[in-house]
Amino acid sequence: QVQVVESGGGVVQPGRSLRVSCEVSGFTFSSYAMHWVRQAPGKGLEWVASISYDGSNEYYADSVKGRLIISRDKSKNTLYLQMNSLRGEDTAVYYCARDMGYSAYGRALDYWGQGTLVTVSS
Amino acid sequence: DIQMTQSPSSLSASVGDRVTITCRASQAISNYLAWYQQKPGKVPKLLIYAASTLQSGVPSRFSGSGSGTDFTLTIISLLPEDVATYYCQKYGSAPPLTFGGGTKVEIK
Repeated sequence: QVQVVESGGGVVQPGRSLRVSCEVSGFTFSSYAMHWVRQAPGKGLEWVASISYDGSNEYYADSVKGRLIISRDKSKNTLYLQMNSLRGEDTAVYYCARDMGYSAYGRALDYWGQGTLVTVSS
Repeated sequence: DIQMTQSPSSLSASVGDRVTITCRASQAISNYLAWYQQKPGKVPKLLIYAASTLQSGVPSRFSGSGSGTDFTLTIISLLPEDVATYYCQKYGSAPPLTFGGGTKVEIK
């Protein structure tokens, strides 16, 4: 069955970097676009970034553009989010989610991980 | 950028009631709309995509309709296990995904 497992969250100081990962199984990773979606404590869902099935296209929310980088490694069935110049407002649970299609433009998200909490605080 | 506005932001209804949640897009998005359910402390779950297509395994008491700018999610007979926050999400155009602000559904 499809499994999506995030890791790498934790407490990080403002201005520092962190990389979170998402290992998937149960489907052909290289056939689907993937996304990161975050949820600040007590708040709604915010799309962060997407990447096409082959990694050739990426899109970012304006709030993270230039600071966060999405990437994927098909040999490891793993999606990454490199988070640089972190700010307090980046504090959130970060969810990895599979797109129903292959394009980074996105469709609906049919499988989600349990999320990993990133806390930006001094 | 296209904005997604949900209403109401919260509602309280009785078991067995018909519940309707509305989502409005600031520009026409055809039927490129999905609905998600997030129960307290849980991961979001896809309910409906393409505005009205029920995801596999989702109970038939959930339905979606609409096209263009106005969409609705309907629960035809509310059950206690439907207590959750519901989100609409547009897709298919840049920026790729935008979520609505959410509608919290509680039991009266």
